[in-house]
Amino acid sequence: DAGVIQSPRHEVTEMGQEVTLRCKPISGHDYLFWYRQTMMRGLELLIYFNNNVPIDDSGMPEDRFSAKMPNASFSTLKIQPSEPRDSAVYFCASSIPPPAGGRETQYFGPGTRLLVL
Amino acid sequence: ILNVEQSPQSLHVQEGDSTNFTCSFPSSNFYALHWYRWETAKSPEALFVMTLNGDEKKKGRISATLNTKEGYSYLYIKGSQPEDSATYLCAFIPTTDSWGKFQFGAGTQVVVTP
Repeated sequence: DAGVIQSPRHEVTEMGQEVTLRCKPISGHDYLFWYRQTMMRGLELLIYFNNNVPIDDSGMPEDRFSAKMPNASFSTLKIQPSEPRDSAVYFCASSIPPPAGGRETQYFGPGTRLLVL
Repeated sequence: ILNVEQSPQSLHVQEGDSTNFTCSFPSSNFYALHWYRWETAKSPEALFVMTLNGDEKKKGRISATLNTKEGYSYLYIKGSQPEDSATYLCAFIPTTDSWGKFQFGAGTQVVVTP
């Protein structure tokens, strides 16, 4: 398997522009997670999906952020409008369902490094 | 504010030396603790999943222990090699209900010099 795939790997945009980050989870993984990594806050969970349905979006910073998962093999994280403080590395991760109590590892993608000028 | 604390923030180790560092978490509830290894410009990779008090896990020269009663886990690297240079993250899951919501520490950055 190719692992979790994210695109683009790098994105530079200007403040006010819309940014769309993409993720393809590992086939067979029913759970998909979006994280943001910053120096100040470390790795923080933004939202996660189970079988394409958002389960917990309490980590989404504000209404400018939205995430969708239209099918089992694709998810997007959108920022509109983008601001300089959104600059960070955004990771997508996926995991198998928790048949044995939910201790399964999350597999991370390579991340998208976003810079908003 | 991170509930999960890792110390030290960074370590410089001479090749061949052994080292260890800590992940501390609230001891009031415990479900699981994950350790990840994160190399620069790559994605975090899973090392261990710790679930029971007293757990000891080992992978090559890297091992981990868990004390849920006092709320800490140690990661050990024996005979450090330059390829061990990475940031080591721990992720804490307090309850079954919160299994998807890993609480990550800020990481310990390990630099092994030849």
